[in-house]
Amino acid sequence: QVQLVESGGGLVKPGGSLRLSCAASGFTFSDYYMTWIRQAPGKGLEWVSHISNSGHTIYYADSVKGRFTVSRDNAKNSLYLQMESLRAEDTAVYFCARRGSYNSNWNFFDYWGQGTLVTVSS
Amino acid sequence: IQLTQSPSSLSASVGDRVTITCRASQGISNYLAWYQQRPGKAPKLLIYAASALQSGVPSRFSGSGSGTDFTLTISSLQPEDFATYYCQQVNNYPLTFGGGTKVEIK
Repeated sequence: QVQLVESGGGLVKPGGSLRLSCAASGFTFSDYYMTWIRQAPGKGLEWVSHISNSGHTIYYADSVKGRFTVSRDNAKNSLYLQMESLRAEDTAVYFCARRGSYNSNWNFFDYWGQGTLVTVSS
Repeated sequence: IQLTQSPSSLSASVGDRVTITCRASQGISNYLAWYQQRPGKAPKLLIYAASALQSGVPSRFSGSGSGTDFTLTISSLQPEDFATYYCQQVNNYPLTFGGGTKVEIK
């Protein structure tokens, strides 16, 4: 069965860095686009970043562009999010998710991890 | 593309028919998905392509619409359906979600 397991969250001071990981299993990871989506406490969902199956095509939300870097290691079935210059407003649960279609017009997400909490506070 | 959901919350009883609306700031054809999120859990995909039911999702859930106006309907609300529902436009970057509709027990 498809499983996505995030890790790496925690408490970090403003201006600090953190690297999130997402371990995938139960499917051919290298066939799928992957994404990061976050949810601030008590708030709605915000798309953060998207990476193609090869890693060559990447998109970012404006709110994280220049500070966050998404990457993947298909040999390790893993997705990463390197977060730099963290701000209080980056505090959220971060979910990794799998794009549910091979067609690039259809960026909906059929499997999600359980999320990892990132807290940015002094 | 901004997505506006209404209402932001509603109270309903088991067995009720519930309709949630999602309006896009510009036409998005049928490039819309719906998700359900229970407290403390990850979102779950219900509907994609505005009206296609995701595998394993009960048939009491249905979606409709095209262009700028979309609806999610639950034909007979069940206890496990009390949750927050989000729409998402799936074709234009940045990908965006609606603000959510919380369905509570009356």
